[in-house]
Amino acid sequence: QKEVEQNSGPLSVPEGAIASLNCTYSDRGSQSFFWYRQYSGKSPELIMFIYSNGDKEDGRFTAQLNKASQYVSLLIRDSQPSDSATYLCAGEGAGSYQLTFGKGTKLSVIP
Amino acid sequence: DVKVTQSSRYLVKRTGEKVFLECVQDMDHENMFWYRQDPGLGLRLIYFSYDVKMKEKGDIPEGYSVSREKKERFSLILESASTNQTSMYLCASLPGTITYNNEQFFGPGTRLTVL
Repeated sequence: QKEVEQNSGPLSVPEGAIASLNCTYSDRGSQSFFWYRQYSGKSPELIMFIYSNGDKEDGRFTAQLNKASQYVSLLIRDSQPSDSATYLCAGEGAGSYQLTFGKGTKLSVIP
Repeated sequence: DVKVTQSSRYLVKRTGEKVFLECVQDMDHENMFWYRQDPGLGLRLIYFSYDVKMKEKGDIPEGYSVSREKKERFSLILESASTNQTSMYLCASLPGTITYNNEQFFGPGTRLTVL
């Protein structure tokens, strides 16, 4: 059974701080990892994907992948109230279209 | 822009009814997915389809069936709705070429209540 684990939160950070969201996965065959953001009542939207060990930066967002530790993270710098949402981590197996989602971490950015 | 639409945003049905949830995508994607999302349980895959008339079971297919007669349309069918199928249902689509960035595009969701 492939599993992706996330802390459900809520994670509260003050405006301007760094928010750190973490995810672990059980399937060593997983190749790519995705971070989706989901606002309340809305559908998920992709923020970032990563498939190589190390860091990947896109604006205020940095995704980190450590395949040896089976660990994925998302850092949000200069957090804004508009970042308040649930963040879903998902892993994809090799040659597969299927995503296994974590249960999501709810982030609240306090003005 | 990819557009994935779902037939209803909100739906209320009675126990035992047959329920059809429709999903349409306009980007000629080969792959389509049906998920349900429940508080505390996250997104769980019900069924997916990688081509017309092809379907594969996901993690929780019991009580559901699907139909894909045309490439752009993927239907989820609840043969006899039960109260434990009250949930948010999300459809997603994905292009056919496997890359490292297999971004799934989600529809707006259908919130189904079974009374």
